[in-house]
Amino acid sequence: GAVVSQHPSRVICKSGTSVKIECRSLDFQATTMFWYRQFPKQSLMLMATSNEGSKATYEQGVEKDKFLINHASLTLSTLTVTSAHPEDSSFYICSASGSPDNSPLHFGNGTRLTVT
Amino acid sequence: DAKTTQPPSMDCAEGRAANLPCNHSTISGNEYVYWYRQIHSQGPQYIIHGLKNNETNEMASLIITEDRKSSTLILPHATLRDTAVYYCIVRVANSGAGSYQLTFGKGTKLSVIP
Repeated sequence: GAVVSQHPSRVICKSGTSVKIECRSLDFQATTMFWYRQFPKQSLMLMATSNEGSKATYEQGVEKDKFLINHASLTLSTLTVTSAHPEDSSFYICSASGSPDNSPLHFGNGTRLTVT
Repeated sequence: DAKTTQPPSMDCAEGRAANLPCNHSTISGNEYVYWYRQIHSQGPQYIIHGLKNNETNEMASLIITEDRKSSTLILPHATLRDTAVYYCIVRVANSGAGSYQLTFGKGTKLSVIP
């Protein structure tokens, strides 16, 4: 079945630094990937849609200059949290699907970001 | 996408069938019903999806009512590893338009009890 790999699984960084999270589709090509964020005891919230070869589209309230998304190939999207602050500590999850269009989205195993 | 309603929590005895209900009374004709689950501190795992016919795979069965306003996910023999939050999501599938994002509600927290 379709596999989405996310790396790293866990990262701790100091306030003010930047962190890059990678999301790869291992056995299919994904023109679109999605980035979600999940705070403790809450559901997943969509942050942005990553489109291969074009700019990402961000959900309302998500700062595009803070959460930089690069989707440079059909199998890789990256999310960079710039100038991280403690309130950015969260569980970040990516997802992607192949075709046809009713194919299920498959999710990575998430990245636990802790900003100290 | 249509809104779904699920009970916040359910218990199920190990080895018994777990039946998780979902209401989606405003579902449109071109919307699929998807089920995912999330085990603590992991990404959501796809379980099953369907349009109007009942579906079965190695993980579960999906029963969709004839009017499509509700569905039930059935785990035939629940194990302790099935303890998770289960999400029922409806999503439009539009041919040629690429993949669409999923909107997660609060889901049902299923606890499988020894």
